[in-house]
Amino acid sequence: AQKITQTQPGMFVQEKEAVTLDCTYDTSDPSYGLFWYKQPSSGEMIFLIYQGSYDQQNATEGRYSLNFQKARKSANLVISASQLGDSAMYFCAMREGRNQGGKLIFGQGTELSVKP
Amino acid sequence: DSGVTQTPKHLITATGQRVTLRCSPRSGDLSVYWYQQSLDQGLQFLIQYYNGEERAKGNILERFSAQQFPDLHSELNLSSLELGDSALYFCASSDRGGGAGTEAFFGQGTRLTVV
Repeated sequence: AQKITQTQPGMFVQEKEAVTLDCTYDTSDPSYGLFWYKQPSSGEMIFLIYQGSYDQQNATEGRYSLNFQKARKSANLVISASQLGDSAMYFCAMREGRNQGGKLIFGQGTELSVKP
Repeated sequence: DSGVTQTPKHLITATGQRVTLRCSPRSGDLSVYWYQQSLDQGLQFLIQYYNGEERAKGNILERFSAQQFPDLHSELNLSSLELGDSALYFCASSDRGGGAGTEAFFGQGTRLTVV
């Protein structure tokens, strides 16, 4: 069964430092996509970064990069040079290619707090 | 702004009542997804519509129903409400019906409180 696991309920990081948020997944589908979303206290879900299962390179979007280790089934989010505005919940999600439909399966989330 | 509009933003209602949540997808998007976010269950997929037809179903209770109209907006109907239905309900839209790389754009959510 498809599953996403985020083992860090909460994380602290000093402003301007880098932080890694962990995500492991489980699927038997060779075609899948991995997503990270940010949810600030205001509640909206903000798309950050996407990695496809066939992508050879790790995805990067500005200060966000995805450390994709396919054999280990992990897709960790790295935020470089943390800012106070990065304080939020972060969700890892997966979509399988074979599913009829495009539902996302979400992990439980990691709450990141950036300290000044 | 994702381009997905959800109304209302907040809703407070009593147990046993029925409410309707509305979602307007991004212009041109054919798929609408509904998700429920609660403290105990996390983010759960409820249902997906694609171009007016039900495409996929998740953990949606029988008391809940949804539909997508010809103009592609969608409504999620919640009836016989219970305290445990209190949650943040998200609508998301995408331009495709599926596929691993389909990006979904989320609305701001409707926060439902059942008292």
